[in-house]
Amino acid sequence: SQQGEEDPQALSIQEGENATMNCSYKTSINNLQWYRQNSGRGLVHLILIRSNEREKHSGRLRVTLDTSKKSSSLLITASRAADTASYFCVVDYGGSQGNLIFGKGTKLSVKP
Amino acid sequence: EPEVTQTPSHQVTQMGQEVILRCVPISNHLYFYWYRQILGQKVEFLVSFYNNEISEKSEIFDDQFSVERPDGSNFTLKIRSTKLEDSAMYFCASSQRTSGGINEQFFGPGTRLTVL
Repeated sequence: SQQGEEDPQALSIQEGENATMNCSYKTSINNLQWYRQNSGRGLVHLILIRSNEREKHSGRLRVTLDTSKKSSSLLITASRAADTASYFCVVDYGGSQGNLIFGKGTKLSVKP
Repeated sequence: EPEVTQTPSHQVTQMGQEVILRCVPISNHLYFYWYRQILGQKVEFLVSFYNNEISEKSEIFDDQFSVERPDGSNFTLKIRSTKLEDSAMYFCASSQRTSGGINEQFFGPGTRLTVL
């Protein structure tokens, strides 16, 4: 399968805690992107990490990429109830015309 | 901040009817996409469009589907004869590929299509 596989499938935490979601993929990538989807709503691009980058930050988000293990993680620090959403990693292998392949995502629930 | 817009937000139609879903991509983007998400399932790629022609399409995008960029701003998805199984959320996306091939796609809020 070309899609990234997110883990865990569901995660429930208390507000203020950190949330870590993982993504594994199969072959060499061009870049990897994380998207968020609030229930029944559109997809929001969160962050993109290139294959030659190891870590990237954006606000409370921290993404790491380990190309030797073919894995990435998304860390949300000091979570808020508004972070409740599904999170998807999307791998770009560079070979296609650009269609993104989404996995099942991690459903994050942040309880107030 | 520029964003992708979609209309309508919700469309209800009878089986067999034609529907047109509309999207206005971000103005300086050159690549356009449609995806769909059946309730409770994964987001699925339908079609990509560049330079006024389809670049790639999935097996879902059969002869009942077509896309068009009728003017300089709109990008439409037409379903000729809707089926019950076409009920889904349809997302439009656009991107501006960089010279390094980075393909960061920006999604619209979606159109919820309900086929009765």
